[in-house]
Amino acid sequence: AQRVTQPEKLLSVFKGAPVELKCNYSYSGSPELFWYVQYSRQRLQLLLRHISRESIKGFTADLNKGETSFHLKKPFAQEEDSAMYYCALTSGGTSYGKLTFGQGTILTVHP
Amino acid sequence: DADVTQTPRNRITKTGKRIMLECSQTKGHDRMYWYRQDPGLGLRLIYYSFDVKDINKGEISDGYSVSRQAQAKFSLSLESAIPNQTALYFCATSDGAATGTYEQYFGPGTRLTVT
Repeated sequence: AQRVTQPEKLLSVFKGAPVELKCNYSYSGSPELFWYVQYSRQRLQLLLRHISRESIKGFTADLNKGETSFHLKKPFAQEEDSAMYYCALTSGGTSYGKLTFGQGTILTVHP
Repeated sequence: DADVTQTPRNRITKTGKRIMLECSQTKGHDRMYWYRQDPGLGLRLIYYSFDVKDINKGEISDGYSVSRQAQAKFSLSLESAIPNQTALYFCATSDGAATGTYEQYFGPGTRLTVT
């Protein structure tokens, strides 16, 4: 069975500080990993996916298959980054596209 | 994104009552999903449908049922509501193999309270 773990329920940093939101997964095959974000009074939305290898709003995430991790990083946090962040995984096969989410991390960036 | 709508947005009901939550989408997506969100537990999949004739249980389907009335509509029912079904419920849609993106688009959520 696949599983996604986000060990931090709450994470607080000051503006301009680096931030890292941790995500670990368990899956026997080759997963595809995503980060979704929910800003205050907005809908949950896709932030980035590992296959795109892109930087969105200054955030990056690298899939580390050896450590089964997909941590989200940003070198200089901004107040507008405050939100709920979910790591998610989809497996292959006929269920491809069905997501398993982690527990979520609430990020607060203080001025 | 008004392309995915949920009704009602808020609902308070009593234990034992039947309740239906509705989801509609105008994105033309084949795939639809129902999740519940609980503090500390994240989002958990209740049911999903990859097309009109396809319904699948998610990880927490007990106590719930669904109906896919059309490509654009996917309803979630609680046949006999109980207090631990109090949660925030989200509907989502995604495209499938046609575009290969599988990005999920979420509705605004329905806050359900069972007393």
